[in-house]
Amino acid sequence: KAGVTQTPRYLIKTRGQQVTLSCSPISGHRSVSWYQQTPGQGLQFLFEYFSETQRNKGNFPGRFSGRQFSNSRSEMNVSTLELGDSALYLCASRRGANQPQHFGDGTRLSIL
Amino acid sequence: SQQGEEDPQALSIQEGENATMNCSYKTSINNLQWYRQNSGRGLVHLILIRSNEREKHSGRLRVTLDTSKKSSSLLITASRAADTASYFCATGGEGETSGSRLTFGEGTQLTVNP
Repeated sequence: KAGVTQTPRYLIKTRGQQVTLSCSPISGHRSVSWYQQTPGQGLQFLFEYFSETQRNKGNFPGRFSGRQFSNSRSEMNVSTLELGDSALYLCASRRGANQPQHFGDGTRLSIL
Repeated sequence: SQQGEEDPQALSIQEGENATMNCSYKTSINNLQWYRQNSGRGLVHLILIRSNEREKHSGRLRVTLDTSKKSSSLLITASRAADTASYFCATGGEGETSGSRLTFGEGTQLTVNP
């Protein structure tokens, strides 16, 4: 069974631009969550999507948004990029409640 | 913000020794999970222990959970150089919705010297 796939693996952008990251969950997993990992703040929850609906949201500004498609694939968008958005963005999927989340290898976003 | 704290922040041992990492958390949980992260990679799920469980084993891994003390420990026995990684505990809240929102500790950097 294929794992969680995130594309691209690396991205370099400049301040003010926007970016879209993609995540394909494990087949059969309908819940997709996104996390940001930085050296200063550690791993922080961004949001979760389930059946194309945002079900849970972390404490991030509105510049961070996402969506989920009918095949459970998810995208995350960050607009008006800031230097502080440089991070590893991780996507995770899970089968259901009280089940482990399985992570992709992440997208390393660097803002110049 | 991080819910929990992990102790120690860094641990260096020799191959064959055991490694113990501790995690404390603050709120009620539905489950607690341990993950491993190799440098620059994603998180690999190790063990999930539910709030009504006290101990769980998986291969060389042993996890304990004490909900009265809001703490958990991960023991890796007979460590190998390949175990070198960062280890994180993560708590999931109660309920279907909050359970999807994992709150991570700061992690323990484990180095196993050959």
